[in-house]
Amino acid sequence: AQKVTQAQTEISVVEKEDVTLDCVYETRDTTYYLFWYKQPPSGELVFLIRRNSFDEQNEISGRYSWNFQKSTSSFNFTITASQVVDSAVYFCALSVEWGYQKVTFGTGTKLQVIP
Amino acid sequence: DARVTQTPRHKVTEMGQEVTMRCQPILGHNTVFWYRQTMMQGLELLAYFRNRAPLDDSGMPKDRFSAEMPDATLATLKIQPSEPRDSAVYFCASGPPGQYNSPLHFGNGTRLTVT
Repeated sequence: AQKVTQAQTEISVVEKEDVTLDCVYETRDTTYYLFWYKQPPSGELVFLIRRNSFDEQNEISGRYSWNFQKSTSSFNFTITASQVVDSAVYFCALSVEWGYQKVTFGTGTKLQVIP
Repeated sequence: DARVTQTPRHKVTEMGQEVTMRCQPILGHNTVFWYRQTMMQGLELLAYFRNRAPLDDSGMPKDRFSAEMPDATLATLKIQPSEPRDSAVYFCASGPPGQYNSPLHFGNGTRLTVT
């Protein structure tokens, strides 16, 4: 069975601060996929990024960056110079190769960026 | 821009009534998922289909919930009879065929309130 843990329930930062959202996962499968989704106050779930288990290269996209470390089973998400529009709930998620795209979600981290 | 469409967006009903939620997956997608989001449980997988066949509905209370795909363009989730504890946001998501690492595309959800 798969498990995703997001220990941070809520985080508040002041605008322009950097913030890191933690994600720890568990799986016995050797091929798996990690995701981050954003859920803004409007409620929809927006896909942000996917990483494959065989690709530990970190990724940067604008103010967003992701640090994938298999040694610690972590897939952390950093927002640099946070903005009010970043306020949302962020979900880390996991699926495995033969899981028919079945995604297991963490409980989410609510990020509030204060102007 | 292709989207998953869910109807209705909001539903308020009285305890004991039947509720039907509908989902139109993205054209060409062959996996469909139903998730339920509550404050207490987060995002829970209720059921999912591949090529219209149910693969797993173990997350669904069998006595009152049922999920079907009458055709490739329609998935339904029914609750009969509804109870106040069913109040939640129900999300439908779809995924493309043969791509196990593809992110799911989510609809905007149906917010159900059972009084």
